[in-house]
Amino acid sequence: EPEVTQTPSHQVTQMGQEVILRCVPISNHLYFYWYRQILGQKVEFLVSFYNNEISEKSEIFDDQFSVERPDGSNFTLKIRSTKLEDSAMYFCASTPPGGFYNEQFFGPGTRLTVL
Amino acid sequence: AQKVTQAQTEISVVEKEDVTLDCVYETRDTTYYLFWYKQPPSGELVFLIRRNSFDEQNEISGRYSWNFQKSTSSFNFTITASQVVDSAVYFCALRVGSSNTGKLIFGQGTTLQVKP
Repeated sequence: EPEVTQTPSHQVTQMGQEVILRCVPISNHLYFYWYRQILGQKVEFLVSFYNNEISEKSEIFDDQFSVERPDGSNFTLKIRSTKLEDSAMYFCASTPPGGFYNEQFFGPGTRLTVL
Repeated sequence: AQKVTQAQTEISVVEKEDVTLDCVYETRDTTYYLFWYKQPPSGELVFLIRRNSFDEQNEISGRYSWNFQKSTSSFNFTITASQVVDSAVYFCALRVGSSNTGKLIFGQGTTLQVKP
């Protein structure tokens, strides 16, 4: 069964460094999302992406964040200059064609630790 | 504003007990979708069920059942005869029809511990 994949599973970085989190959504999906979950807290929406552009972003998604779908298969989240409070689990998700009311399929997550 | 409230932070039961996880949502949209996801200790998010606002039929899937009541804005989840493998964090989530992106709004989650 197709699934969303994410790499790396765990990333450790120093404060101020740039990180790129990678996702490969399910191949025929059209809507893509990033969410984050700070340890022990709820899952929070960061950004949605459709038709090669951002369709919505949350207050969390400030100028330090960017997303890209560089080659039609990968979907990346870049954090330009990481802060301690960026430490969290980051989930990528995608939704199949037919409408975004379909369930979102989540990847296994990337745990980002900022030291 | 859209919001999901899961008032139960943690629940602990003994195996074979039935347990109900509560979810209350807020939205002014007439079209919306409700979801439950399970997050086992390994951390991934596992889809369990989706319900749209026009379908108030309760659903049963094996030991799992869901009770959707628009009158009380609730979408509760019951596990019958709980098992240790049910131990996880369970999230209720809302997607509103007026959103043109389909983002999910999650509740705080309920941690369920099933003891042998």
